[in-house]
Amino acid sequence: DIQMTQSPSSLSASVGDRVTITCRASQGISNYLAWYQQKPGQVPRLLIYAASTLQSGVPSRFRGSGSETHFTLTISSLQPEDVATYYCQNHNSAPYTFGQGTKVELK
Amino acid sequence: QVQLVESGGGLVKPGGSLTLSCAASGFTFSDHYMSWIRQVPGKGLEWLLYISDSGSTMYYAASVRGRFTISRDNAQNSLFLQMNSLRTEDTAVYFCAREGLNWNRGSLDVWGQGTTVTVSS
Repeated sequence: DIQMTQSPSSLSASVGDRVTITCRASQGISNYLAWYQQKPGQVPRLLIYAASTLQSGVPSRFRGSGSETHFTLTISSLQPEDVATYYCQNHNSAPYTFGQGTKVELK
Repeated sequence: QVQLVESGGGLVKPGGSLTLSCAASGFTFSDHYMSWIRQVPGKGLEWLLYISDSGSTMYYAASVRGRFTISRDNAQNSLFLQMNSLRTEDTAVYFCAREGLNWNRGSLDVWGQGTTVTVSS
């Protein structure tokens, strides 16, 4: 099975900061990488698929990049409503494993 | 609107069985692969299994293989998860989710609200 490892596990940033989350796959998954946002008490929401394609309705401050084993999610200017846990997911081949999550908080 | 609604969660004893249902609406259910994912409260997401659009192909994660069975009824726009030989570590919120099409197959673009399964004596 492909293992997905996110870093950091948590971070604290100020409103307006640029935030970067990294996700590494244990083997190459081409660009089949998705990012999800889960706000406290809510259901996960798809932000990005195919590494860099923004899901409809997602603000453009979210950007995904990478391929094969190294991927990043960047929030260009952190907003209060971005406080959440972010998960990456391999959607190249089953099992579609998730990373362990990165909790983003406001400083 | 596009919606998934799970039901069937509850309290069950170790070794027991439970069947979850997921009712789909607002989209062509038979066009999409469907998945089940679970989350222990306060913990991360665990993808469990998928079923193909026609229902002919399934894939099970190792943690549930041989105990859980996924099925669907496209005529009724419904997805099911039969859970047998339940263990305390199966306690979680269970989500059904729609897989995307084409390039975003495997990504999960619509989620239900979740149903809670508690396995305890």
